[in-house]
Amino acid sequence: GDSVTQMEGPVTLSEEAFLTINCTYTATGYPSLFWYVQYPGEGLQLLLKATKADDKGSNKGFEATYRKETTSFHLEKGSVQVSDSAVYFCALIPGNFNKFYFGSGTKLNVKP
Amino acid sequence: GAVVSQHPSRVICKSGTSVKIECRSLDFQATTMFWYRQFPKKSLMLMATSNEGSKATYEQGVEKDKFLINHASLTLSTLTVTSAHPEDSSFYICSARVTGTNTGELFFGEGSRLTVL
Repeated sequence: GDSVTQMEGPVTLSEEAFLTINCTYTATGYPSLFWYVQYPGEGLQLLLKATKADDKGSNKGFEATYRKETTSFHLEKGSVQVSDSAVYFCALIPGNFNKFYFGSGTKLNVKP
Repeated sequence: GAVVSQHPSRVICKSGTSVKIECRSLDFQATTMFWYRQFPKKSLMLMATSNEGSKATYEQGVEKDKFLINHASLTLSTLTVTSAHPEDSSFYICSARVTGTNTGELFFGEGSRLTVL
């Protein structure tokens, strides 16, 4: 069945470091892929998305490219800030939009 | 983007009582809303899909008599935790998809933290 696997955290980085959070997926057909972010004490917010192969989603300096050949959607940011500290969830929705599948979440801690 | 609002954001109740959590789509209509439960340090677990005007669809292992879901209008879904017990303490999150769109994007409420004493 459809599923999402993302790297376990927590990930601890110093400010201005490069960030990669790996995400791979299993799906039939052509899913849409998402990264959601959850700041402490808050609900989930959409960070970025990609709806077809080779699309690159980007927002707030974060990027992720939909790689069908490697079934991946890794999240990257060139220079993280303390304010980026949050839990990041990779997610997919199959082409029939019947259900959302979330990864387990990766907590990011950015130290000054 | 579309706004989904949950209320209350925090609730504390005594064991054996019932608690109702509301989820509203503020600026759009949502035929379908989803209720998730988030355990500490874990991902979101889909509990049920709430359909306007019909019965909710529950995921395997979720007790429908314990977690009552009502979707009475295109902008409101409610989750009632009946006869709450301490193990029901959790963070409950609702989400909705804009009716008629095909992007698949979900919009999430802020979440409701339930503590059962």
